[in-house]
Amino acid sequence: GNSVTQMEGPVTLSEEAFLTINCTYTATGYPSLFWYVQYPGEGLQLLLKATKADDKGSNKGFEATYRKETTSFHLEKGSVQVSDSAVYFCALSDNTGGGNKLTFGTGTQLKVEL
Amino acid sequence: DTAVSQTPKYLVTQMGNDKSIKCEQNLGHDTMYWYKQDSKKFLKIMFSYNNKELIINETVPNRFSPKSPDKAHLNLHINSLELGDSAVYFCASSHEITNTEAFFGQGTRLTVV
Repeated sequence: GNSVTQMEGPVTLSEEAFLTINCTYTATGYPSLFWYVQYPGEGLQLLLKATKADDKGSNKGFEATYRKETTSFHLEKGSVQVSDSAVYFCALSDNTGGGNKLTFGTGTQLKVEL
Repeated sequence: DTAVSQTPKYLVTQMGNDKSIKCEQNLGHDTMYWYKQDSKKFLKIMFSYNNKELIINETVPNRFSPKSPDKAHLNLHINSLELGDSAVYFCASSHEITNTEAFFGQGTRLTVV
């Protein structure tokens, strides 16, 4: 079956530091890949996505590249801000089994300090 | 305008009770979902409906019964609530039954005491 593995948190960084959150996946088909973000007390928001190999998703300074050869979709940001503190979820979506569903990683909590 | 809205946001109830969570989306999507997030933040799909038809049922106890009166609504009814049902429940919707992104509601925090 499908699965997503992402690095465990919490990750604590100083403002303006470089961020990498690793994500690897296992899938039987050709999934789309996503990063969702959950701010405290809120629902999930789509941060970025990539639908095929070598696609790069980007939004709000965050980037991730769909690497089929390494089955990875690592999230990066060059300079984090305090407002980026949240839980980040890597996810994949495929409909090979009939019906579309997201398979999530366990989430990585990011805390950015001044 | 809220795209995917759930009510209530918080729900505290006693074991054995029956409760419902409502979800509505105004995005014109034809697929809706229920996800459960446990205390460790792990998210797992429970159900998926496409055009009011059940598509995915992920080994959820039959005490949980989703109902979709129309494409814009997917409600979740839970019978005989147990302590282990305490979690945050998220409703979501997407446009097609393909690999498109899902839009999530704000979540309903259910606490069973």
